[in-house]
Amino acid sequence: ERQMVESGGGLIQPGGSLRLSCVGTTFTVKTHFMNWVRQAPGKGLEWISVISGGGTTTYADSVRGRFTMARDDSKNTIFLQMNNLRVDDTAIYYCVEGFYSNYWGQGTPVTVSS
Amino acid sequence: QTVVTQEPSFSVSPGETISLTCGLSSGSVSPDHHPTWCRQTPGQAPRTLIFSTNTRSFGVPDRFSGSILGNKAALTITGAQADDESVYYCTLHLGGGIWMFGGGTKLTVL
Repeated sequence: ERQMVESGGGLIQPGGSLRLSCVGTTFTVKTHFMNWVRQAPGKGLEWISVISGGGTTTYADSVRGRFTMARDDSKNTIFLQMNNLRVDDTAIYYCVEGFYSNYWGQGTPVTVSS
Repeated sequence: QTVVTQEPSFSVSPGETISLTCGLSSGSVSPDHHPTWCRQTPGQAPRTLIFSTNTRSFGVPDRFSGSILGNKAALTITGAQADDESVYYCTLHLGGGIWMFGGGTKLTVL
Protein backbone atom coordinates (compact mmCIF):
# COMPACT_ATOMS: atom_id res chain seq x y z
CA GLU A 1 0.00 0.00 0.00
CA ARG A 2 1.37 3.37 -1.02
CA GLN A 3 1.57 5.93 1.76
CA MET A 4 2.21 9.66 1.72
CA VAL A 5 2.61 12.35 4.37
CA GLU A 6 1.51 15.91 3.69
CA SER A 7 2.77 19.00 5.47
CA GLY A 8 2.92 22.75 5.10
CA GLY A 9 -0.63 23.74 5.85
CA GLY A 10 -1.55 26.56 8.18
CA LEU A 11 -3.19 29.95 8.58
CA ILE A 12 -2.42 32.52 5.93
CA GLN A 13 -3.85 35.91 5.04
CA PRO A 14 -5.67 36.51 1.75
CA GLY A 15 -3.19 37.28 -1.01
CA GLY A 16 -0.46 35.31 0.70
CA SER A 17 1.48 32.24 -0.41
CA LEU A 18 1.97 28.78 1.01
CA ARG A 19 3.81 25.68 -0.12
CA LEU A 20 2.48 22.23 0.64
CA SER A 21 4.67 19.14 0.59
CA CYS A 22 3.87 15.48 0.13
CA VAL A 23 6.56 12.85 0.69
CA GLY A 24 6.15 9.29 -0.46
CA THR A 25 7.11 6.99 2.41
CA THR A 26 6.64 3.57 0.81
CA PHE A 27 7.11 4.15 -2.92
CA THR A 28 8.97 6.25 -5.47
CA VAL A 29 6.94 9.33 -6.28
CA LYS A 30 8.51 10.04 -9.67
CA THR A 31 7.15 6.85 -11.17
CA HIS A 32 3.53 7.66 -10.34
CA PHE A 33 0.84 10.17 -11.15
CA MET A 34 0.38 12.36 -8.08
CA ASN A 35 -2.66 14.55 -7.46
CA TRP A 36 -3.82 17.22 -5.08
CA VAL A 37 -7.47 17.12 -4.06
CA ARG A 38 -9.02 19.55 -1.61
CA GLN A 39 -12.12 19.66 0.55
CA ALA A 40 -13.56 22.90 1.86
CA PRO A 41 -15.22 22.75 5.31
CA GLY A 42 -18.48 20.82 5.06
CA LYS A 43 -18.17 20.48 1.31
CA GLY A 44 -17.30 17.79 -1.23
CA LEU A 45 -14.04 16.84 -2.88
CA GLU A 46 -12.44 18.96 -5.57
CA TRP A 47 -9.63 17.70 -7.79
CA ILE A 48 -7.20 20.56 -8.36
CA SER A 49 -3.99 19.29 -9.97
CA VAL A 50 -1.86 16.37 -11.15
CA ILE A 51 1.75 15.74 -12.07
CA SER A 52 2.63 12.79 -14.26
CA GLY A 53 5.68 10.59 -13.99
CA GLY A 54 7.12 12.55 -16.89
CA GLY A 55 6.59 15.81 -15.03
CA THR A 56 3.60 17.12 -16.99
CA THR A 57 1.24 19.17 -14.82
CA THR A 58 -2.47 19.86 -15.26
CA TYR A 59 -4.71 22.12 -13.19
CA ALA A 60 -8.36 22.75 -12.52
CA ASP A 61 -9.70 26.09 -13.72
CA SER A 62 -10.18 27.23 -10.13
CA VAL A 63 -6.43 27.23 -9.40
CA ARG A 64 -4.74 27.52 -12.80
CA GLY A 65 -2.37 30.47 -12.83
CA ARG A 66 -2.18 30.66 -9.02
CA PHE A 67 -1.08 27.15 -8.00
CA THR A 68 1.94 25.26 -9.29
CA MET A 69 2.90 21.62 -8.77
CA ALA A 70 6.50 20.54 -8.71
CA ARG A 71 8.53 17.50 -7.76
CA ASP A 72 11.92 16.96 -6.14
CA ASP A 73 13.01 13.45 -7.00
CA SER A 74 15.97 13.59 -4.60
CA LYS A 75 13.53 14.09 -1.72
CA ASN A 76 10.80 11.81 -3.13
CA THR A 77 8.48 14.74 -2.61
CA ILE A 78 5.89 16.68 -4.56
CA PHE A 79 4.96 20.26 -3.81
CA LEU A 80 1.99 22.53 -4.32
CA GLN A 81 2.99 26.18 -4.44
CA MET A 82 -0.11 28.26 -3.75
CA ASN A 83 0.03 31.97 -4.52
CA ASN A 84 -2.50 34.77 -4.28
CA LEU A 85 -4.56 32.73 -1.86
CA ARG A 86 -8.25 33.54 -1.43
CA VAL A 87 -10.67 32.86 1.39
CA ASP A 88 -12.36 30.20 -0.71
CA ASP A 89 -9.08 28.25 -0.92
CA THR A 90 -9.64 27.29 2.71
CA ALA A 91 -9.73 23.49 2.75
CA ILE A 92 -8.03 20.29 3.71
CA TYR A 93 -5.55 19.48 0.97
CA TYR A 94 -5.01 15.80 0.22
CA CYS A 95 -2.09 14.32 -1.65
CA VAL A 96 -3.39 11.39 -3.70
CA GLU A 97 -1.36 8.78 -5.55
CA GLY A 98 -2.23 7.30 -8.90
CA PHE A 99 -3.92 8.08 -12.18
CA TYR A 100 -7.12 6.84 -10.57
CA SER A 101 -6.43 8.47 -7.19
CA ASN A 102 -5.92 5.11 -5.58
CA TYR A 103 -4.20 6.07 -2.32
CA TRP A 104 -4.91 9.10 -0.17
CA GLY A 105 -2.80 10.90 2.41
CA GLN A 106 -4.33 12.18 5.63
CA GLY A 107 -4.43 15.76 4.42
CA THR A 108 -3.08 19.09 5.62
CA PRO A 109 -5.41 21.97 6.52
CA VAL A 110 -5.10 25.39 4.95
CA THR A 111 -7.01 28.35 6.33
CA VAL A 112 -7.06 31.63 4.44
CA SER A 113 -8.37 34.37 6.67
CA SER A 114 -7.56 37.88 7.76
CA GLN B 1 -19.55 24.05 -17.57
CA THR B 2 -19.52 20.30 -17.10
CA VAL B 3 -21.02 18.98 -13.89
CA VAL B 4 -20.73 15.46 -12.50
CA THR B 5 -24.06 14.50 -10.95
CA GLN B 6 -24.78 12.19 -8.02
CA GLU B 7 -27.82 11.60 -5.84
CA PRO B 8 -27.43 13.91 -2.81
CA SER B 9 -28.69 11.25 -0.45
CA PHE B 10 -29.81 7.64 -0.38
CA SER B 11 -31.35 5.46 2.31
CA VAL B 12 -31.15 1.69 2.48
CA SER B 13 -32.12 -1.04 4.92
CA PRO B 14 -29.53 -3.56 6.08
CA GLY B 15 -29.21 -6.43 3.63
CA GLU B 16 -30.64 -4.54 0.68
CA THR B 17 -28.82 -4.00 -2.60
CA ILE B 18 -28.50 -0.48 -3.98
CA SER B 19 -26.88 1.29 -6.87
CA LEU B 20 -25.56 4.83 -6.59
CA THR B 21 -25.14 6.61 -9.89
CA CYS B 22 -22.76 9.11 -11.43
CA GLY B 23 -23.73 11.11 -14.50
CA LEU B 24 -22.62 13.99 -16.66
CA SER B 25 -24.59 17.17 -17.18
CA SER B 26 -23.67 17.00 -20.85
CA GLY B 27 -23.63 13.56 -22.40
CA SER B 28 -23.18 9.97 -21.26
CA VAL B 29 -20.59 8.42 -18.99
CA SER B 30 -18.44 5.81 -20.74
CA PRO B 31 -15.46 3.66 -19.73
CA ASP B 32 -13.29 6.35 -21.33
CA HIS B 33 -14.16 8.53 -18.34
CA HIS B 34 -12.57 5.92 -16.04
CA PRO B 35 -15.27 6.23 -13.37
CA THR B 36 -13.73 5.99 -9.94
CA TRP B 37 -15.55 5.72 -6.61
CA CYS B 38 -14.35 6.57 -3.13
CA ARG B 39 -16.03 6.82 0.25
CA GLN B 40 -15.46 9.06 3.21
CA THR B 41 -16.58 8.85 6.81
CA PRO B 42 -16.62 11.95 9.03
CA GLY B 43 -13.17 13.15 10.03
CA GLN B 44 -11.38 10.65 7.86
CA ALA B 45 -9.55 10.83 4.55
CA PRO B 46 -11.36 9.32 1.59
CA ARG B 47 -10.67 5.75 0.51
CA THR B 48 -10.89 4.61 -3.09
CA LEU B 49 -13.16 1.61 -3.62
CA ILE B 50 -13.50 1.17 -7.38
CA PHE B 51 -11.44 2.57 -10.23
CA SER B 52 -11.63 2.46 -14.01
CA THR B 53 -15.33 1.54 -13.95
CA ASN B 54 -15.18 -1.84 -12.22
CA THR B 55 -11.77 -2.64 -10.70
CA ARG B 56 -11.82 -3.01 -6.92
CA SER B 57 -9.02 -1.47 -4.93
CA PHE B 58 -6.93 -3.74 -2.74
CA GLY B 59 -8.87 -5.01 0.24
CA VAL B 60 -12.28 -3.82 -0.90
CA PRO B 61 -14.91 -6.54 -0.38
CA ASP B 62 -16.68 -7.91 -3.42
CA ARG B 63 -19.96 -6.54 -2.07
CA PHE B 64 -18.87 -3.39 -3.87
CA SER B 65 -18.97 -3.41 -7.65
CA GLY B 66 -18.86 -0.84 -10.42
CA SER B 67 -20.48 -0.72 -13.83
CA ILE B 68 -21.98 1.46 -16.51
CA LEU B 69 -25.80 1.46 -16.31
CA GLY B 70 -27.39 3.22 -19.24
CA ASN B 71 -25.70 6.58 -19.57
CA LYS B 72 -24.27 6.66 -16.05
CA ALA B 73 -21.63 4.97 -13.96
CA ALA B 74 -22.93 3.01 -11.01
CA LEU B 75 -21.62 1.74 -7.70
CA THR B 76 -23.58 -1.25 -6.47
CA ILE B 77 -23.49 -2.31 -2.85
CA THR B 78 -24.82 -5.83 -2.38
CA GLY B 79 -26.17 -6.56 1.08
CA ALA B 80 -25.75 -3.15 2.70
CA GLN B 81 -24.30 -3.12 6.19
CA ALA B 82 -24.45 -0.54 8.94
CA ASP B 83 -20.82 0.41 8.49
CA ASP B 84 -21.47 1.24 4.82
CA GLU B 85 -22.83 4.56 6.05
CA SER B 86 -20.55 7.10 4.37
CA VAL B 87 -20.46 9.77 1.75
CA TYR B 88 -19.69 8.20 -1.62
CA TYR B 89 -17.99 10.26 -4.31
CA CYS B 90 -17.46 9.47 -7.94
CA THR B 91 -14.88 11.13 -10.13
CA LEU B 92 -14.63 11.16 -13.90
CA HIS B 93 -11.69 11.82 -16.21
CA LEU B 94 -12.77 14.57 -18.60
CA GLY B 95 -9.71 14.34 -20.81
CA GLY B 96 -6.50 16.31 -20.93
CA GLY B 97 -5.55 15.03 -17.50
CA ILE B 98 -8.49 16.76 -15.85
CA TRP B 99 -10.70 14.98 -13.33
CA MET B 100 -13.95 16.14 -11.76
CA PHE B 101 -15.73 14.90 -8.66
CA GLY B 102 -19.43 14.67 -8.18
CA GLY B 103 -21.02 16.32 -5.20
CA GLY B 104 -21.21 13.06 -3.26
CA THR B 105 -24.04 10.82 -2.07
CA LYS B 106 -24.69 10.54 1.64
CA LEU B 107 -25.74 6.95 2.28
CA THR B 108 -27.81 6.19 5.34
CA VAL B 109 -28.34 2.62 6.47
CA LEU B 110 -31.54 2.55 8.49
